[in-house]
Amino acid sequence: QVQLQESGPGLVKPSETLSLTCTVSGASVSGGSYYWSWIRQTPGKGLEWIAYLYYTGSTTYNPSVKSRVTISLDMSKNQFSLTLSSVIAADTALYYCARGNLALRAFDVWGPGTMVAVSS
Amino acid sequence: EIVLTQSPATLSLSPGERATLSCRASQSVSSFLAWYQQKPGQAPRLLIYDASNRATGIPARFSGSGSGTDFTLTISSLEPEDFAVYYCQQRTNWPPITFGQGTRLDFK
Repeated sequence: QVQLQESGPGLVKPSETLSLTCTVSGASVSGGSYYWSWIRQTPGKGLEWIAYLYYTGSTTYNPSVKSRVTISLDMSKNQFSLTLSSVIAADTALYYCARGNLALRAFDVWGPGTMVAVSS
Repeated sequence: EIVLTQSPATLSLSPGERATLSCRASQSVSSFLAWYQQKPGQAPRLLIYDASNRATGIPARFSGSGSGTDFTLTISSLEPEDFAVYYCQQRTNWPPITFGQGTRLDFK
């Protein structure tokens, strides 16, 4: 059974950098049939896709955050990570990591989510 | 960016009734639309992909239809566990991948 688990700080100060990690179990992040994503959820904007990473290293970002975000892969740890720089209050959200299934064009496995608040 | 508009925002029904949820895209997404169910405190769960295909383990009472810009998720006979929020999502013309704003299915 494939499982994803997010980890990271629950509180980040404005203008600092948010770093989150997703640990994958039951599947390899180097598998070619899937891509790895970060998605966040807020009461105001709903679900917002942030970034996508393929095992080849190919990345795609949401234009809304592209200048501030990096997604990366650590195959040795079977993890992928998100960094979001210069955070503002509007980055306060529930952050999910998710597995995208290339054949289904959908996210078929999600982590439980981790809440991140941006506040001084 | 493709905008997905879901209607109604809230749907109040009783167990055993039929639920019909709508998702309209601002431009064609062909049949590349997915539906998710989210319960309080949980992550979204994939129900339907490619507009009409049920994901693994999803009961037959859930069905999807549509193509182009208009899509429907139907729950044929509501079970108590079906009361949740439902989202549609497209990955046709991206970035970005986009989601609808959700339809909340409430007990009447």
